[in-house]
Amino acid sequence: QSALTQPASVSGSPGQSITISCTGTSSDVGGYDDVSWYQKHPGTAPKLMIYNVSNRPSGVPNRFSGSKSGNTASLTISGLQGEDEADYYCSSYARSTTRYVFGTGTKVTVL
Amino acid sequence: QVHLQQWGPGLLKPSETLSLTCVVYGGSVSGYYWTWIRQPPGKGLEWIGEINHSGSTNYNPSLESRVTISVDTSKNQFSLKVISVTAADTAVYFCARKNSRRWFDPWGPGTLVNVSA
Repeated sequence: QSALTQPASVSGSPGQSITISCTGTSSDVGGYDDVSWYQKHPGTAPKLMIYNVSNRPSGVPNRFSGSKSGNTASLTISGLQGEDEADYYCSSYARSTTRYVFGTGTKVTVL
Repeated sequence: QVHLQQWGPGLLKPSETLSLTCVVYGGSVSGYYWTWIRQPPGKGLEWIGEINHSGSTNYNPSLESRVTISVDTSKNQFSLKVISVTAADTAVYFCARKNSRRWFDPWGPGTLVNVSA
């Protein structure tokens, strides 16, 4: 099972909106609503930002939103802030013995 | 609130066995699957495998021949063993709880394991 495809980097100015894509196949992203997104700062554990495609855990700012169309899921950060600068990974359940696949990761830079 | 603490040796030689333990605080191991995930330096996340409180396991096929995950309900902890490690096993290893709809939260702080001769 290959990793899900994400852009290596995305950047934006404070206040702008950015979107990170996560492309898989019908056997993972396209076949299930079990897509989640994680924020990871260097040297820290990943933090859950979105689960089940578009749900935000309590405590996650509402400027983070998720969606899915076909085999591609997306994470949008609206009103970009400096603290949002981090690596972001998507994850999906996969209909294979691998079971869970992660994205290749996207480095978000706040200009 | 559930949080995880993990520990284990940070430096191994090739062919040795990697052993890590993750303790669950603020909740029980019952009712969930508990997961190990790793991140090699400069690379993305890789799911290693999972176990529930009754010992039912699932492993990543790419690692299955070398990996064992076990659970000790009396100590509210679960463990990872990887045999015959090589430099390719150098990574930060995270433990995490898998929730029923297949997301991972919370995560342990991570343990850097370096395999070097």
